[in-house]
Amino acid sequence: KNEVEQSPQNLTAQEGEFITINCSYSVGISALHWLQQHPGGGIVSLFMLSSGKKKHGRLIATINIQEKHSSLHITASHPRDSAVYICAGISRGGADGLTFGKGTHLIIQP
Amino acid sequence: DAGVIQSPRHEVTEMGQEVTLRCKPISGHNSLFWYRQTMMRGLELLIYFNNNVPIDDSGMPEDRFSAKMPNASFSTLKIQPSEPRDSAVYFCASTLDRVGQPQHFGDGTRLSIL
Repeated sequence: KNEVEQSPQNLTAQEGEFITINCSYSVGISALHWLQQHPGGGIVSLFMLSSGKKKHGRLIATINIQEKHSSLHITASHPRDSAVYICAGISRGGADGLTFGKGTHLIIQP
Repeated sequence: DAGVIQSPRHEVTEMGQEVTLRCKPISGHNSLFWYRQTMMRGLELLIYFNNNVPIDDSGMPEDRFSAKMPNASFSTLKIQPSEPRDSAVYFCASTLDRVGQPQHFGDGTRLSIL
């Protein structure tokens, strides 16, 4: 059974701080989604990656396949980054159902 | 471009009633997923379809739940009879079955069973 472990569960930081959220996953998972869920409830896919690193604005996602570990970084954090960030594993391409971590509840204080 | 469209956005009903949730995937996507989110269990896969065919329904909690995809542009998730423990947010997502394609989520249906 595929498993995804995410940490920390909760994170509060000051505006401007560098944020790191970690995700470990089991054998059988070939790629990861990083998802963002705002208090309104909608889920947005930030990144999908199976190797290396991806960057979009202040967000950076990395994945180490050998160590089965991925990180999501936020540079120059801002209160609008406050959300739940969810790591989700994919076992085959994009067409298998996702296995979700429990999410990291991030609060950025001004 | 229209995203994944779910209806209704909110549903409140009494236990024992039949509930039908609807989803229209993004045009051209050939894989569709139903997920459920609760405080206790987080997000879980219920069932997914590829080219309108159910591939994995192992996440469907019990026989009260059923899902159909009669064509490429429409899917339903039905609960009959509904119970209070079915209260959750139900998300539909779709993707194109190609390596590297992300899943796109609908806004969810918030279901409350009284």
